[in-house]
Amino acid sequence: DTGVSQNPRHKITKRGQNVTFRCDPISEHNRLYWYRQTLGQGPEFLTYFQNEAQLEKSRLLSDRFSAERPKGSFSTLEIQRTEQGDSAMYLCASSSGGGSSGNTIYFGEGSWLTVV
Amino acid sequence: QKEVEQNSGPLSVPEGAIASLNCTYSDRGSQSFFWYRQYSGKSPELIMSIYSNGDKEDGRFTAQLNKASQYVSLLIRDSQPSDSATYLCAVSPRGGSQGNLIFGKGTKLSVKP
Repeated sequence: DTGVSQNPRHKITKRGQNVTFRCDPISEHNRLYWYRQTLGQGPEFLTYFQNEAQLEKSRLLSDRFSAERPKGSFSTLEIQRTEQGDSAMYLCASSSGGGSSGNTIYFGEGSWLTVV
Repeated sequence: QKEVEQNSGPLSVPEGAIASLNCTYSDRGSQSFFWYRQYSGKSPELIMSIYSNGDKEDGRFTAQLNKASQYVSLLIRDSQPSDSATYLCAVSPRGGSQGNLIFGKGTKLSVKP
C-alpha cells in the first residue's frame, strides 16, 4: 500500500494524558499536513511541513500541540495534557508540491482520539 | 476570515438522477478548488480538482468553476446508492501554502434506490 499511513487508528485516553500520533506520507511526497476534523465539520488545517521544515501553523495549534518531521519522512503529532475538546479525528495528508497537480493533497485514514 | 460555504443538506435524490452540489468561497484570489467525498467514519477521498473557469468532467462527475461568482459546483450523473456520502468542497486560498486548504462543512447526499 503506497498511500498515507496513520497510527494508531483509534486512541482513548484520560483527560490530562499525553498522546502521540504518527504519519507516514506517500513516499515521493515532500509536503506533509495535519488536519483535525470534528463531527459535522470539515477538516481544519493545523500545520504543514515541507521536508523537515515546519512552514506554517494554524492558530488552532495551541502550545499543547507539537508536530515534528525530523528527517523529512514520517511525522508525529503530540498532544500534551489532553482535554475533552481535543476529541476529534486527526488527519494526515501529503502532496508532491510540484507541477499543476502538486498542491493536490491525499489524506490518510485518520486517527480517532477520544478523551474521557 | 476566509470561508467556504456549503448547504449541509441532506440532499436526497433518486437513483439514476443528477445530484447537484454547490459551494461558494469568500477569497477572490483563490486558485485551486477540490471536491472530496467522505463516507461516514472514513477520511476524505479526492474526487475532482479544478483550477480554471469552466467545466471539468471525469466519468459521472463534472466540476464547474466560476471565479467571477466565486462559485464551485459538482454534478453527479446517474447517481447510485454508493454515492451516498458527505461531499466536501475545499479551496486553496491566496497567500496560503499549497495544501493549506479551507474546507466547507460538507453536503450530505443520500441516493435512494
